[in-house]
Amino acid sequence: AQSVTQLDSQVPVFEEAPVELRCNYSSSVSVYLFWYVQYPNQGLQLLLKYLSGSTLVKGINGFEAEFNKSQTSFHLRKPSVHISDTAEYFCAVSEAGGSYIPTFGRGTSLIVHP
Amino acid sequence: DAGITQSPRHKVTETGTPVTLRCHQTENHRYMYWYRQDPGHGLRLIHYSYGVKDTDKGEVSDGYSVSRSKTEDFLLTLESATSSQTSVYFCATVAGDRNEQFFGPGTRLTVL
Repeated sequence: AQSVTQLDSQVPVFEEAPVELRCNYSSSVSVYLFWYVQYPNQGLQLLLKYLSGSTLVKGINGFEAEFNKSQTSFHLRKPSVHISDTAEYFCAVSEAGGSYIPTFGRGTSLIVHP
Repeated sequence: DAGITQSPRHKVTETGTPVTLRCHQTENHRYMYWYRQDPGHGLRLIHYSYGVKDTDKGEVSDGYSVSRSKTEDFLLTLESATSSQTSVYFCATVAGDRNEQFFGPGTRLTVL
């Protein structure tokens, strides 16, 4: 079984400041890791994913995340946020090479203030 | 974009009535999922399908059933709706070769 913990339910930040959204996972097998974004009244869309290879993954809209196997973490970062980044962010984990049944974290609400 | 549509987009119903939500996809993806989203709980898997007539339960399947008679359609049925099933329901598919889920726009269900 696998689990995901998003350590912050809400992260307020000022526009143009850097931000980090934290995600830790637990699994007994190799994993794939994902970050999804949900804008108000919309479905989720993929920001980035780690399947294998380089541990630093770059995604859309200037976001990146780093896979740290020893710390079982996959934190999401952006060096300078915009008002339009205000959204809910979900971390997800699935078993590598297995049936695609991901487990989602509870989400982090990023609130960007002007 | 996997061309996922959900219907209805909004529904208000009364306790005890049956409700069916429909998910339709145009990409011929094999896997389809139903999730519910509630504040503080994130996304929780209700049921999923790995092919026509092949379905399995997720973590919150009690009170829900599903059917998949065609690749493109995945139906979620609440046999007798309860107020605890008030939620936003999302359908998703996965492009297996890309290990990436695509989500529909959601259905907001209110059970009075």
